[in-house]
Amino acid sequence: GESVGLHLPTLSVQEGDNSIINCAYSNSASDYFIWYKQESGKGPQFIIDIRSNMDKRQGQRVTVLLNKTVKHLSLQIAATQPGDSAVYFCAGGGSEKLVFGKGTKLTVNP
Amino acid sequence: EAQVTQNPRYLITVTGKKLTVTCSQNMNHEYMSWYRQDPGLGLRQIYYSMNVEVTDKGDVPEGYKVSRKEKRNFPLILESPSPNQTSLYFCASSLSGNEQFFGPGTRLTVL
Repeated sequence: GESVGLHLPTLSVQEGDNSIINCAYSNSASDYFIWYKQESGKGPQFIIDIRSNMDKRQGQRVTVLLNKTVKHLSLQIAATQPGDSAVYFCAGGGSEKLVFGKGTKLTVNP
Repeated sequence: EAQVTQNPRYLITVTGKKLTVTCSQNMNHEYMSWYRQDPGLGLRQIYYSMNVEVTDKGDVPEGYKVSRKEKRNFPLILESPSPNQTSLYFCASSLSGNEQFFGPGTRLTVL
């Protein structure tokens, strides 16, 4: 089955710096990956997704990179802002289910 | 507004007292799912449903039941709650199981 893990449970950055949150997965058959942001007291919110036939996808201030060779994906946040402070989850899977990592808590220092 | 709603948002109950947490979505999504979130364990899937009258076990289904009699609703039933079911519960829906939209969460405490 799939297992998804994050490398660091916490990450602290200075406002304006770029943030990189990493994630590893185990199942080579996973064809879909997604990043969620969860603010305190709220449900997870979609940030960006990527399919296994891609290695990079960009959104507004965010980029997801997928390295299938080493089963690794990362979320890059450009010019991190205080509003980016949250827990970030990666998830991987297919059409029937997603397996979530345990999350990285991002703290943005002013 | 497209959304997933859950009720109640907070619930304190006692061991053995049956309870139901409702989940409703207004996006005509076929896929719905329940997760529990615990410190250090992340989000774990309890049950999911690919369509009306179709439900399947997730990773931690023990002690829970679900039903999917209509597309918009996916209630989570705890027939005999126990303290180890104290958790934060999230309902989610999606068109296909990929990009899932989450509800606001239900914080359950079982004494």
